[in-house]
Amino acid sequence: EVQLVESGGGLVQPGGSLRLSCAASGFTFRDHCMDWVRQAPGKGLEWVARSRNLGSGYFTEYAASLKGRFTISRDDSKNSLYLHLNSLKNEDTAVYYCASGYFFHWGPGTLVSVSS
Amino acid sequence: QSVVTQTPSVSAAPGVKVTISCSGGSSNIGSNFVSWYQQFPGTAPKLLIYSNDQRPSGIPDRFSGSKSGTTATLDITGLQTGDEADYYCGAWDTSLGGEVFGGGTKVTVL
Repeated sequence: EVQLVESGGGLVQPGGSLRLSCAASGFTFRDHCMDWVRQAPGKGLEWVARSRNLGSGYFTEYAASLKGRFTISRDDSKNSLYLHLNSLKNEDTAVYYCASGYFFHWGPGTLVSVSS
Repeated sequence: QSVVTQTPSVSAAPGVKVTISCSGGSSNIGSNFVSWYQQFPGTAPKLLIYSNDQRPSGIPDRFSGSKSGTTATLDITGLQTGDEADYYCGAWDTSLGGEVFGGGTKVTVL
């Protein structure tokens, strides 16, 4: 059974940083494309970033509005996906989900709250 | 303002058929596969349809998807109270170089 579990969310001040993690199990992690998607309170889904698999050279892609502040990475030896969030703004407050295999499976999400 | 648009809400009685539309452009829906997701309040989205019209294992055949040009459609037949949720469409946008989601459609069962 595929399982994705995000962690690392919490309350952070504007301008701060955070690292989110996504622990994966139940599938061959290195073979799969992984994504981060976020959802602000009461709003719709917003794609954040993608990490392609080994076969695609671990190519990474980002939402244009976020590039430069967020960095996606993965450690296939730990079956883990990461999202580094820098220079956080109030509008980055959202639940952050990781998803595998072109959104076939989703984790329960982790809440990031940016506030002073 | 999303590049892919959905009707914000749909209401219908149990047992009827509901159609949700997702309108995009040539760089997203017009040239890439469309997926549909179901989301209940406080929970993660769940994949309902992928590759325009394919259902993952375990998804009832009451849910069906189709695509024509730059518009994708999700049909829910035999609407049930348990179908009351938000539904999102999504597709890769070749011009933007990223996944785009519709704004979501809230389905209410009367």
